[in-house]
Amino acid sequence: AQSVTQLGSHVSVSEGALVLLRCNYSSSVPPYLFWYVQYPNQGLQLLLKYTSAATLVKGINGFEAEFKKSETSFHLTKPSAHMSDAAEYFCAVNRRGGSYQLTFGKGTKLSVIP
Amino acid sequence: NAGVTQTPKFQVLKTGQSMTLQCAQDMNHNSMYWYRQDPGMGLRLIYYSASEGTTDKGEVPNGYNVSRLNKREFSLRLESAAPSQTSVYFCASRPDYQAKNIQYFGAGTRLSVL
Repeated sequence: AQSVTQLGSHVSVSEGALVLLRCNYSSSVPPYLFWYVQYPNQGLQLLLKYTSAATLVKGINGFEAEFKKSETSFHLTKPSAHMSDAAEYFCAVNRRGGSYQLTFGKGTKLSVIP
Repeated sequence: NAGVTQTPKFQVLKTGQSMTLQCAQDMNHNSMYWYRQDPGMGLRLIYYSASEGTTDKGEVPNGYNVSRLNKREFSLRLESAAPSQTSVYFCASRPDYQAKNIQYFGAGTRLSVL
């Protein structure tokens, strides 16, 4: 069984401040991990993914995430928030092989204050 | 490039009515998925299809049926809609070889059941 916990359903940051969105996972086998972003009234777009290569993964729009096996974490960061980053962010996990079904966290809504 | 296309974008139903949500992808993917998104719940898998003619239940299949008539199309049917099925529905597909762990999402269908 696998699961994802996102800490904080809503995070607010000031424009230019650090963005940190937390994700912890549970998986009985080595996982694939993902961050997706959803802008208002749109579908989900892949931000970045971890597939066991480098533990520090860089994605689009200046976001990055670090896989820490000892902490079972895959937190998403961005050094300087921009107004356009306001969206909902989902962490997801799937196991290698089989149907590659995704298990999603409940999401974190990011607000950016001017 | 169209990617994953869902129709309709919006729908309002009365309790007990039936309808079919359509999904088509033009990326030649074998695997396709249906999710529902509810506030504070993230995305939950309803059904998936590993190939034409095959379907399997996900986490929340009750009240839904699916059809995978060909490689491109995967439809979701509500036979007798209930208010609990008010949600945003997303279809996704994934490649079979390179980057086979990444799912690509449509823009969603927003369904209200009164």
